[in-house]
Amino acid sequence: GENVEQHPSTLSVQEGDSAVIKCTYSDSASNYFPWYKQELGKRPQLIIDIRSNVGEKKDQRIAVTLNKTAKHFSLHITETQPEDSAVYFCAAAWVGGRLAFGKGNQVVVIP
Amino acid sequence: DTGVSQDPRHKITKRGQNVTFRCDPISEHNRLYWYRQTLGQGPEFLTYFQNEAQLEKSRLLSDRFSAERPKGSFSTLEIQRTEQGDSAMYLCASSLAGTTDTQYFGPGTRLTVL
Repeated sequence: GENVEQHPSTLSVQEGDSAVIKCTYSDSASNYFPWYKQELGKRPQLIIDIRSNVGEKKDQRIAVTLNKTAKHFSLHITETQPEDSAVYFCAAAWVGGRLAFGKGNQVVVIP
Repeated sequence: DTGVSQDPRHKITKRGQNVTFRCDPISEHNRLYWYRQTLGQGPEFLTYFQNEAQLEKSRLLSDRFSAERPKGSFSTLEIQRTEQGDSAMYLCASSLAGTTDTQYFGPGTRLTVL
């Protein structure tokens, strides 16, 4: 089945700096890659997604890049703010649209 | 609130008891997914429906787990003879197949098996 891996597991950044989280996936048939943000005790919230026919997508301070050949995709957060502190999950859509998630990255923004 | 809702939000039960959770998806969404999330892990796929048809179940899902979506709207997930290893957050998500396939998650039901 699909295997999604995330690196690093924990990331600490100074407020205002950029944060980058990288994910790799195993199934070349995957065609949809969402990123979710989850705060403690809350539901996963979609923050950005990308499809396999697009190499990059940006939404304000958040961007995602996709390299289909290497089978990896990355989340970029610029000008980080304390409210960006959370766990971020990458995922890859598998057969039927079901998602295979990575283990998550704890991002800590230091004021 | 027109988002995905789940009930109950918390459930504490004793080992061996049966529990049932409910999920109400976004009204126009035809796909409904169940995931399980344990501490420090990402959500893990359990099963999904398109309308009332259950199209796939994870191989990790034991026979003690059953899910239904009888009218293609809300869904229930039942766990029979609960075990301590069933303790987790059970998340429901819904999407509209054929468009963006974006899945929106509910708040989850936290199950604790004593």
